[in-house]
Amino acid sequence: ILNVEQSPQSLHVQEGDSTNFTCSFPSSNFYALHWYRWETAKSPEALFVMTLNGDEKKKGRISATLNTKEGYSYLYIKGSQPEDSATYLCASDNYGQNFVFGPGTRLSVLP
Amino acid sequence: GAGVSQTPSNKVTEKGKYVELRCDPISGHTALYWYRQSLGQGPEFLIYFQGTGAADDSGLPNDRFFAVRPEGSVSTLKIQRTERGDSAVYLCASSAGLFTDTQYFGPGTRLTVL
Repeated sequence: ILNVEQSPQSLHVQEGDSTNFTCSFPSSNFYALHWYRWETAKSPEALFVMTLNGDEKKKGRISATLNTKEGYSYLYIKGSQPEDSATYLCASDNYGQNFVFGPGTRLSVLP
Repeated sequence: GAGVSQTPSNKVTEKGKYVELRCDPISGHTALYWYRQSLGQGPEFLIYFQGTGAADDSGLPNDRFFAVRPEGSVSTLKIQRTERGDSAVYLCASSAGLFTDTQYFGPGTRLTVL
């Protein structure tokens, strides 16, 4: 069974700060890495699907990079806003395995 | 178009009772997934359907859990003889195809077993 890890577990930043966090996943039989944002009382919202080593994706102030050889992905948020407060989940899709989520990073952006 | 919906949003039941949780996927999505999320953990895979058939049910924790999708659209997750350890948020997601497609999640059903 895959082990997908995320760090830090939680994070508090001031409005306007930039921040980043990490998702680690097994690199063997890798197929795709997904990032989701999950706000309290809402549905998880898909941010990115990344498949190729060296992939970089961007959506507004949020971007992500992927290293499939060493098995990690970084999510960056530039100029954090209070509405960015949420749990950020990554999920690894590997051949022969089901979708495996990490435990998430809980981000709080303080005004 | 409407997103994924789940009913009920909250369910409180007593230990030993039977519960059904419903998921309405996005229209036209062939793949449907059930996950369970316990406090402090990421969603844990339970089962996924491709059309009407359960393509993979290896995540169901034991034979008290069962899920159906008889017409390839709405799905029901059924839990018999509920236990306190079944308390969790049950999430449903749908996608146009397989796991590699973006999954769109419903808001979840919070199940509390007293």
